[in-house]
Order: sequence, then structure tokens, then C-alpha cells
Amino acid sequence: EADIYQTPRYLVIGTGKKITLECSQTMGHDKMYWYQQDPGMELHLIHYSYGVNSTEKGDLSSESTVSRIRTEHFPLTLESARPSHTSQYLCASSERRTSTDTQYFGPGTRLTVL
Amino acid sequence: AQKVTQAQTEISVVEKEDVTLDCVYETRDTTYYLFWYKQPPSGELVFLIRRNSFDEQNEISGRYSWNFQKSTSSFNFTITASQVVDSAVYFCALSEANTGANSKLTFGKGITLSVRP
Repeated sequence: EADIYQTPRYLVIGTGKKITLECSQTMGHDKMYWYQQDPGMELHLIHYSYGVNSTEKGDLSSESTVSRIRTEHFPLTLESARPSHTSQYLCASSERRTSTDTQYFGPGTRLTVL
Repeated sequence: AQKVTQAQTEISVVEKEDVTLDCVYETRDTTYYLFWYKQPPSGELVFLIRRNSFDEQNEISGRYSWNFQKSTSSFNFTITASQVVDSAVYFCALSEANTGANSKLTFGKGITLSVRP
């Protein structure tokens, strides 16, 4: 059972606002990920991290940025939200020591930008 | 490059029917891992199973079973006696182990399963 948390679960915000989506895990996992998923659509990897001070861009280009200052915390920031950012954002984590990459997911944040 | 294909997009069954969700994958690696995740309407992804490429034994867990066949590059998922709570989107995914600890998951597009009472 995974212990990975995301806040807020739902966010409705106006265009131009800066937002930060929080993701935390208590499993001591080195690897963390952010996915973007439109309703009924496939998952797209937008950011990942192998550990503290490591961040990489994923397969889908995103205007968001991430940071990894602590192992357990991997926040995602949008400096200026736009309606095109409306989506569900899913955070996940996995152990780096193995290559099995079983990723455990948080409950997601549903973002709506008006 | 690795690829996962879930050709079925939507499946609708009546409760108690058996249903099989297909997954076909492509990879050049000899060592890899296959996964199934369930995404209920609440939105989170729930890990169901991981299978490595050297273990072709089928697996059963309650009403769930998985059929892994390397010869056809398939990893199909069967739900026996489906229930309304099985209604969800199901994702198949692949990870290539030969890239080491930096490997990433490749997901299929998902299959939406609706189980009607």
C-alpha cells in the first residue's frame, strides 16, 4: 500500500494566477513523477526526479516547473495558469534501488483554469 | 522504443459476465516488466500487478487473472464474474529494465470498462 499524498484534490483558479500543486510521499522513494491526464485520455509524463536536486523533463512538453529539495516532497508550479492547463495532474513515486519501477500514485489534483 | 497497445477503448458488460482486457507490447529488451493499473472514477491509479519478462506463469488473484504470453507479446487481464465496482479505466504499462534504475513506464491509452447491473 502506497502512502503518497496530493493537495489540493480540486482547484479552480483564474487565468494568470500562480499555483503550486503539492505531492508528498512517506515511503522514502527516490524517484518521483508528475503525469498530466486529460479526461478519458492517456497519461503523459511531464516531469520526473531521480532524487534530491534532480529534475528532468518528461515526454510531454509542459510549461510547469518542479523542484526536489527534499526526498519526500515534489511540488509542481505553474507561474501563470491558462485554460489550456486544465487537466488532472497525477504524482507517483517508486524505488530507485530496483529497476522494476512499480510506481505508486497519489489521488491526483483536478485543475480547472477559468 | 517501447510501446504498449490497448486496442479496445471501451467495453460494456452486464454484471457477472467475464471480461478480458487486451494488452500488446513492443520492446527490444529481453528484460522488462509489465503492469496493470486500475483508475476508478475517483481518479487515482491503483497498482494491480507487476510481471517480469522471465516469469510467464499466469497469475490469479481472486476474480482477477493475467495471461502473459511472450510469443505474442501480450499480457491480457481477465475479470471473472464482473461487478459494478470493476467499472474503471484500466491501463497496461511497460518498463524496460535494461536501462537500469532510470527506466520509465510507458502506458497504453487505457480501456474504459463499464459493468452494468
